[in-house]
Amino acid sequence: EDQVTQSPEALRLQEGESSSLNCSYTVSGLRGLFWYRQDPGKGPEFLFTLYSAGEEKEKERLKATLTKKESFLHITAPKPEDSATYLCAVRTNTGNQFYFGTGTSLTVIP
Amino acid sequence: SAVISQKPSRDICQRGTSLTIQCQVDSQVTMMFWYRQQPGQSLTLIATANQGSEATYESGFVIDKFPISRPNLTFSTLTVSNMSPEDSSIYLCSVAEGPDTQYFGPGTRLTVL
Repeated sequence: EDQVTQSPEALRLQEGESSSLNCSYTVSGLRGLFWYRQDPGKGPEFLFTLYSAGEEKEKERLKATLTKKESFLHITAPKPEDSATYLCAVRTNTGNQFYFGTGTSLTVIP
Repeated sequence: SAVISQKPSRDICQRGTSLTIQCQVDSQVTMMFWYRQQPGQSLTLIATANQGSEATYESGFVIDKFPISRPNLTFSTLTVSNMSPEDSSIYLCSVAEGPDTQYFGPGTRLTVL
């Protein structure tokens, strides 16, 4: 069964304290892995798509990496405005469905 | 990226009533999706709506409960019928842009009393 698991569920960081969020996946055939940011009361905002092991994408303080079993979202020197829930999703080679994890709630304290 | 709006942004409804949620996109898109996000849970796909064809529902969701319309390439509606408190959730529409990217609307927060 296709499955996406994110850890930790919640993470509190001091401003400037770098860390990583994890997304582990089990799928029959990976077409792509996606990272989204969701602010309270809003829809998910697209961040990255990764397609193959070894691929990396960067945007400002965020860098996403992909292996054959998991993806990491690295946050370097976070700021309070990075506080949000970060969602991971995968799409398989069959069908149109995106499978979402339950997210990591990140709080960055000034 | 596509700009997506939803109406209403939130609503409080009585048990047994129905609510229709509208999703408007600022460009023509082939595939639109409807998701549900219950408190503390992941996004769950309800159905895929393609213009000119019947919506495709995921396991656990049926057309009688969640009828969907897709009259053109920029608009879709989702109706939550005969509501119960278990239907309280955030409902999100999204569109596929390119082969692998989805963009989401702001969501509709539904509370059923």
